[in-house]
Amino acid sequence: AQSVTQLDSHVSVSEGTPVLLRCNYSSSYSPSLFWYVQHPNKGLQLLLKYTSAATLVKGINGFEAEFKKSETSFHLTKPSAHMSDAAEYFCVVSDYQGAQKLVFGQGTRLTINP
Amino acid sequence: ETGVTQSPTHLIKTRGQQVTLRCSSQSGHNTVSWYQQALGQGPQFIFQYYREEENGRGNFPPRFSGLQFPNYSSELNVNALELDDSALYLCASSLSLINTGELFFGEGSRLTVL
Repeated sequence: AQSVTQLDSHVSVSEGTPVLLRCNYSSSYSPSLFWYVQHPNKGLQLLLKYTSAATLVKGINGFEAEFKKSETSFHLTKPSAHMSDAAEYFCVVSDYQGAQKLVFGQGTRLTINP
Repeated sequence: ETGVTQSPTHLIKTRGQQVTLRCSSQSGHNTVSWYQQALGQGPQFIFQYYREEENGRGNFPPRFSGLQFPNYSSELNVNALELDDSALYLCASSLSLINTGELFFGEGSRLTVL
């Protein structure tokens, strides 16, 4: 079965500094990986997706992620944090067992300090 | 805004009762999935509906059931409520069964079971 592990439950950075949210995956075949963001009282929104094309994936709001097969990692980064980035971030792997199913990590809460 | 609307936004029930949650899909989307998100956890897949048929199910008991209507709107029904059913229930729609992983989520229905 496909799974993801988010290595940090909470990350706190200062505004204007880089963001790194870490995710490792486990997959028996070439995975499709995603990052979703959940702002308070808002629905989940797709940030970016990797589906075996370029290993460096660019998403919305300046986020990007790099797929590293040798490390089974898919870390999310942003060069400069903004206050509006404060949210819960989920690393997700796609699984297909008769249904289009997403398997979510536990989430990483990102706090931005002024 | 994703165009996926859920109702009610909040509700409180007692153990043993039954609840129905509703979801209106984004226009043109024929596939709907339901996820349960317990406090502090990532969402977990409950089931998926495609063209009014259940198309896959996660590890949830039969007292969790659903329906999809000809206009692709959907319901999630939970019978014999238990305290552990307290969670945010998320509906997500997608354009088709093609496993792109891009789901459009509603803001959820928060269920509290006392």
